[in-house]
Amino acid sequence: GAVVSQHPSWVICKSGTSVKIECRSLDFQATTMFWYRQFPKQSLMLMATSNEGSKATYEQGVEKDKFLINHASLTLSTLTVTSAHPEDSSFYICSARGDYYNEQFFGPGTRLTVL
Amino acid sequence: GEDVEQSLFLSVREGDSSVINCTYTDSSSTYLYWYKQEPGAGLQLLTYIFSNMDMKQDQRLTVLLNKKDKHLSLRIADTQTGDSAIYFCAEEDGATNKLIFGTGTLLAVQP
Repeated sequence: GAVVSQHPSWVICKSGTSVKIECRSLDFQATTMFWYRQFPKQSLMLMATSNEGSKATYEQGVEKDKFLINHASLTLSTLTVTSAHPEDSSFYICSARGDYYNEQFFGPGTRLTVL
Repeated sequence: GEDVEQSLFLSVREGDSSVINCTYTDSSSTYLYWYKQEPGAGLQLLTYIFSNMDMKQDQRLTVLLNKKDKHLSLRIADTQTGDSAIYFCAEEDGATNKLIFGTGTLLAVQP
């Protein structure tokens, strides 16, 4: 089956720094990638949808200047949390969808802790 | 807005059947999914059903869809301790392929 990886799997950073999370589709071309955020014991909330080569579409209430998304190739999307604060601490999960699949394939997630 | 509701918690004994329920609101959903999430991990797709189907069976898993009532269920036969996890249903918007996730059900399997 299709595999999606995320890097790093966890990161701890100081308040005010920026953190980049990578999402890669390893064996298929992902025309669309999705970024989700999950707080402890809560469901996944869609943050944004990114299509290769175009600007990401953000969900209502998600700050596009705070969460920068780049989908520069068919196998890589990045999420940069700029000037991170403790309230940005969360589990960030990406998923990828290709033209030949009906489903989204999820990455293993990245746990961000901002001190 | 779209809300997908699930009961928070289900406890069963090993070997029993588990039934996890989900109600959704978007009648235009094309696919409905069930995912499993173990602690600290990503999501594992268990099964899915197309919106024009009533039932789908896949080994120990049976999905029932009542489109009139917008009700989806996942039955796990012969539940094992390894099935302990959080289960999420999700509906897919056919136009945007966005997934709207349910609130999640924590399944605890007692040995």
